[in-house]
Amino acid sequence: DAGITQSPRHKVTETGTPVTLRCHQTENHRYMYWYRQDPGHGLRLIHYSYGVKDTDKGEVSDGYSVSRSKTEDFLLTLESATSSQTSVYFCAISDRPETQYFGPGTRLLVL
Amino acid sequence: GESVGLHLPTLSVQEGDNSIINCAYSNSASDYFIWYKQESGKGPQFIIDIRSNMDKRQGQRVTVLLNKTVKHLSLQIAATQPGDSAVYFCAEISGSGTYKYIFGTGTRLKVLA
Repeated sequence: DAGITQSPRHKVTETGTPVTLRCHQTENHRYMYWYRQDPGHGLRLIHYSYGVKDTDKGEVSDGYSVSRSKTEDFLLTLESATSSQTSVYFCAISDRPETQYFGPGTRLLVL
Repeated sequence: GESVGLHLPTLSVQEGDNSIINCAYSNSASDYFIWYKQESGKGPQFIIDIRSNMDKRQGQRVTVLLNKTVKHLSLQIAATQPGDSAVYFCAEISGSGTYKYIFGTGTRLKVLA
């Protein structure tokens, strides 16, 4: 998985609780992304980062925030989890915008 | 993962035969295309890419064809093997500076022994 790890790999949480997912890379790539993957949909971009402390919103950013304080780490926070945020979350990295390499994913279940 | 595989079109191919997986893309301004393979429970894996100024690109056992007239992309896998069983989806990328990514929902390839 191109030097990308995600933690946790599985999480069950309750509605209304905050959740933070972590993406860690060892490739020193500039760009990092968070996606969600749901049945019937292609991967949808939540947020992305083009450098330390430089982030921007994707198409489905409502209810999510991100932080990148170091090149290697990109955190995704669900401020108050809802059942609609039950999904598989993928982190991706790239050294150029056209090509992305994906992590193994985090399965999140919000009860 | 397994939940992503629900409701996907499925292509069943005999081991050793060639597979052709198709993708219709949406944005005529997209200038870069990628095919990904996703095995159950894993993240998408880059297979091959092609730029919009090309019609065909070959890799190891894979060929991507691009038809910009009808906005169609195909992935050909030669001599399909059991390890090729997975979900395959395309991605289109457009823009410069700020890029826009659109991912397809995918096709499940089943290789029959």
